[in-house]
Amino acid sequence: ILNVEQSPQSLHVQEGDSTNFTCSFPSSNFYALHWYRWETAKSPEALFVMTLNGDEKKKGRISATLNTKEGYSYLYIKGSQPEDSATYLCAFSGGSTLGRLYFGRGTQLTVWP
Amino acid sequence: DVKVTQSSRYLVKRTGEKVFLECVQDMDHENMFWYRQDPGLGLRLIYFSYDVKMKEKGDIPEGYSVSREKKERFSLILESASTNQTSMYLCASSNLAGGPYDTQYFGPGTRLTVL
Repeated sequence: ILNVEQSPQSLHVQEGDSTNFTCSFPSSNFYALHWYRWETAKSPEALFVMTLNGDEKKKGRISATLNTKEGYSYLYIKGSQPEDSATYLCAFSGGSTLGRLYFGRGTQLTVWP
Repeated sequence: DVKVTQSSRYLVKRTGEKVFLECVQDMDHENMFWYRQDPGLGLRLIYFSYDVKMKEKGDIPEGYSVSREKKERFSLILESASTNQTSMYLCASSNLAGGPYDTQYFGPGTRLTVL
C-alpha cells in the first residue's frame, strides 16, 4: 500500500485568514496528484489534477503547487470563507492504467465567521 | 453532469445479514470503485472494476465481494455483515481512457450501521 500523508489532520481558522496544507507522496513512479474537496453531506469533488513538476493550478481563491522530485504538494486558500469548510483530500496516482488512486487521510478545515 | 447514485443514504442491518449496496453511473465510465471511509482513516479502497464482469481487490477486500453485470452498475456485497463493517461507503467511477490522470466522480455515500 502506497503511503500518502496529509498534514495537518485538522485546521481551524478565522474568516479572512489564508491557510495552507500539505500532501506528501512517493516521488518514484509518479503520474498524477489529485486534490478533492469533500463538504459535509455531499460527494467529494475534484479540485485539481496535477502532473508536471512545478505545476501550479488555481481555482478562485484556491491554488495548488506540485513538487514531484521531493514528493509533496501544497494547497493554499487565500482569504478563507466559511463555505471553504470541508475536508481536503489528496490522492496519488502511481501509474496504474486502471486509474486507481491512493488517498491521504485528509485535512479537515473549519472556517469560523 | 456526471451522476453517480447510490441506492441508500442510510442503512441499518443486523449482524449476519447479507447486505447489497448498489451504485449506478450515467457517464458510460469503464472504471468503478468502492471505498469505505472511517474517521481518521481516510478513503480506503475495497474493490474496483475496469470492465463488466471484471474485478480487482483493493486494500481491504476481506468480508466483501462485488458484482458488475452491467457497465453502469457496480454492487458491493457484504456476505455476512459484522459490526466492524459499520462505516460510510462511497462509490466512484472514472473513464478508463484517462488512466491515472482521470478524475474519479463520487456518489453521495451510504452510511451503513450494523447492529
